[in-house]
Amino acid sequence: AQSVTQLDSHVSVSEGTPVLLRCNYSSSYSPSLFWYVQHPNKGLQLLLKYTSAATLVKGINGFEAEFKKSETSFHLTKPSAHMSDAAEYFCVAETGTASKLTFGTGTRLQVTL
Amino acid sequence: NAGVTQTPKFRVLKTGQSMTLLCAQDMNHEYMYWYRQDPGMGLRLIHYSVGEGTTAKGEVPDGYNVSRLKKQNFLLGLESAAPSQTSVYFCASSYSPSVYEQYFGPGTRLTVT
Repeated sequence: AQSVTQLDSHVSVSEGTPVLLRCNYSSSYSPSLFWYVQHPNKGLQLLLKYTSAATLVKGINGFEAEFKKSETSFHLTKPSAHMSDAAEYFCVAETGTASKLTFGTGTRLQVTL
Repeated sequence: NAGVTQTPKFRVLKTGQSMTLLCAQDMNHEYMYWYRQDPGMGLRLIHYSVGEGTTAKGEVPDGYNVSRLKKQNFLLGLESAAPSQTSVYFCASSYSPSVYEQYFGPGTRLTVT
């Protein structure tokens, strides 16, 4: 069975400092992995996706994530946080049948001045 | 393109009442999904459809029914609402599993009193 663990429920950074949101997955095979972002009272937007083409994946708004099979991790990073990055971030794995997604519990990113 | 739309945006029900949530997409997607989002639990799949006239159960299907009579619409029904169904409901759609991204609607906030 597929599972996704987001290691931090809440992360707070200062504007201009790096962002690291951690995600581990468990699967019997290398899954497709995604990061989605949800701004307050909004739907979900795809930030980036990994589908085995390259282990370092670049997404929108300066975010990127690295797939590390040996560590079963898919951490999301950004070199310099912006106030507009404040949102909830979900790490997601695709199960391989009917594109069903398994969501992590989310990490709320707070960006302070 | 409107993308994925959901009707209504908000609803308050009394215990035992019924209602139907409508999801519509104009991207000609085969696959459609209904999720619920609860605090601290990420999104969980309720039901999904792999094409017009088909439906299947997801992770948390109890208390819900769905129908996909037209390719562009996916209806989620609550026959007898319970307070445990208070949640935010998201609809999503996607192409075939070979193209993994799901597009999400803006959500419906349902409160059952």
